[in-house]
Amino acid sequence: EAGVAQSPRYKIIEKRQSVAFWCNPISGHATLYWYQQILGQGPKLLIQFQNNGVVDDSQLPKDRFSAERLKGVDSTLKIQPAKLEDSAVYLCASVSGVNTEAFFGQGTRLTVV
Amino acid sequence: GEDVEQSLFLSVREGDSSVINCTYTDSSSTYLYWYKQEPGAGLQLLTYIFSNMDMKQDQRLTVLLNKKDKHLSLRIADTQTGDSAIYFCAERNNDMRFGAGTRLTVKP
Repeated sequence: EAGVAQSPRYKIIEKRQSVAFWCNPISGHATLYWYQQILGQGPKLLIQFQNNGVVDDSQLPKDRFSAERLKGVDSTLKIQPAKLEDSAVYLCASVSGVNTEAFFGQGTRLTVV
Repeated sequence: GEDVEQSLFLSVREGDSSVINCTYTDSSSTYLYWYKQEPGAGLQLLTYIFSNMDMKQDQRLTVLLNKKDKHLSLRIADTQTGDSAIYFCAERNNDMRFGAGTRLTVKP
């Protein structure tokens, strides 16, 4: 079974630039999460999708962050414009409707300079 | 405040048992997880427990759940240097929330 794929693995941008991350969840998994993990901290939930609908985006800074899940499969997370404090690893996870395990991708490490 | 809380550091000697503790606030959590993260690596699921269980054992790992006190613990028997990592507790009902992680250091 293929895992959760994320790209790119690393990204360095200047502040005020835009960036997008991509996630391909495990086939058939209805639930998809995006997390932000700042160095030395636990993952913080940004947004949760169920199929292509948003279930919870209460912690997403909507003035600069946006996310979508195309046709209930792949998802993109965008930051525009980026700030220095957005430097973090962005993790994507997916969960099937039956299995209780949340499968995580390797993450995208973003550095904003 | 935090939904899931953990102590930040734990240091043990090789061969001893390690016990990592976690408290959570969501009484409707249905699943509770322990993840391991090594430097520069992703999150590796170690084990999970359903909220209607008190204990789960898997080889060297024992998970204890006190639902009344909303307390979860992970015991690692015969701790090895390869167990050195950050351990995250997570709870899931609908969304899934993590603690800040406990850094386990195993001394030879």
